[in-house]
Amino acid sequence: DAGVTQSPTHLIKTRGQQVTLRCSPKSGHDTVSWYQQALGQGPQFIFQYYEEEERQRGNFPDRFSGHQFPNYSSELNVNALLLGDSALYLCASSALWWERSTDTQYFGPGTRLTVL
Amino acid sequence: GQQVMQIPQYQHVQEGEDFTTYCNSSTTLSNIQWYKQRPGGHPVFLIQLVKSGEVKKQKRLTFQFGEAKKNSSLHITATQTTDVGTYFCAGTTSGTYKYIFGTGTRLKVLA
Repeated sequence: DAGVTQSPTHLIKTRGQQVTLRCSPKSGHDTVSWYQQALGQGPQFIFQYYEEEERQRGNFPDRFSGHQFPNYSSELNVNALLLGDSALYLCASSALWWERSTDTQYFGPGTRLTVL
Repeated sequence: GQQVMQIPQYQHVQEGEDFTTYCNSSTTLSNIQWYKQRPGGHPVFLIQLVKSGEVKKQKRLTFQFGEAKKNSSLHITATQTTDVGTYFCAGTTSGTYKYIFGTGTRLKVLA
């Protein structure tokens, strides 16, 4: 049973460029959340996708957008990259109904984005 | 906006000593989760607490949720070198799917 997978592992971009990060949830999970984790900080919630819709959004600008596909995998897109976007981007999957009353989040290994 | 703070920020202990990290939210939470993140790794789910005053144990780890559901703690008895990492709490409020992570407590265990 594969856990949450993310690609790529590392990415280097320059300011102004656009980037797409990918996430495949744990088998049986239908909900995907994206987080940004700056060095030495806790993860910050970007948004959550469920049934191919953005269900909730954190305090991130519109430059951050996403998508969820019918197979529950997800993409995070960031446009017009800024130096401050350099961080570890984490994807977490969960399944409210499959795991009863808990919404345990399983995190992927993350994508380390560096903006030069 | 909602804030979740953790203290201490760092803790160095000798192997075998106990360790506690405290989590405080500015708002009442519907539930709280605890995660461990090893250096260079990703957060790994430890536990979820839902009820006011709830206490749960996992081997040497004891988790508590405050009566007012605004604070929580994680206590590790007789730390081991394998306990090294950063411990995060993450809380959510009723009617939202967003988890707010705490600032984390970085634990170092000296052998």
